Amino acid sequence: DAGITQSPRHKVTETGTPVTLRCHQTENHRYMYWYRQDPGHGLRLIHYSYGVKDTDKGEVSDGYSVSRSKTEDFLLTLESATSSQTSVYFCAISESVGGSTDTQYFGPGTRLTVL
Amino acid sequence: EDQVTQSPEALRLQEGESSSLNCSYTVSGLRGLFWYRQDPGKGPEFLFTLYSAGEEKEKERLKATLTKKESFLHITAPKPEDSATYLCAVQARRIFNKFYFGSGTKLNVKP
Repeated sequence: DAGITQSPRHKVTETGTPVTLRCHQTENHRYMYWYRQDPGHGLRLIHYSYGVKDTDKGEVSDGYSVSRSKTEDFLLTLESATSSQTSVYFCAISESVGGSTDTQYFGPGTRLTVL
Repeated sequence: EDQVTQSPEALRLQEGESSSLNCSYTVSGLRGLFWYRQDPGKGPEFLFTLYSAGEEKEKERLKATLTKKESFLHITAPKPEDSATYLCAVQARRIFNKFYFGSGTKLNVKP
């Protein structure tokens, strides 16, 4: 199994509060991704990173920001949580993109509930 | 627009009853197609990567195939432990750092 951990695994928060989710990898992979998974929508990309301090937006980035100060850590922040951000959040990593090793491996997920 | 459609949404099989799951895709130049298995409460687990039409990959009771418009995940003589949601994703050549996922097929294999 790819060495990916996510914390916390479960969180309940209130509307308007800031929330930070953490993804940690031990594989030294260059690329890291944040997805959200909702019934009927599949996995949707929020943000991704292609190196330390290098990030870009995905298809559902509004209301989210990310940071990557070290290769192994990728943080997802909800500046002011809303009920529409209730979801399961998955982190993924890949060794490279554009080569034969661009398969993504996923973490265990964080279940976030915004009341 | 790049998109992935999986069918059926749910599938019930008896143990030993073989079947296939479908993943239809529209993408401007396919770089790769990926199959994952996801158990309840867990992250997707990688199964296969397919890169070109005609390619096939096998793992135990699972076999993935690829054409220019769709991929099939064939399940031969399934067992209850094969019950899971199976996800398909595509990677486009022009934006190869983004992956597009289908909504999945939920498979239930009864003993």
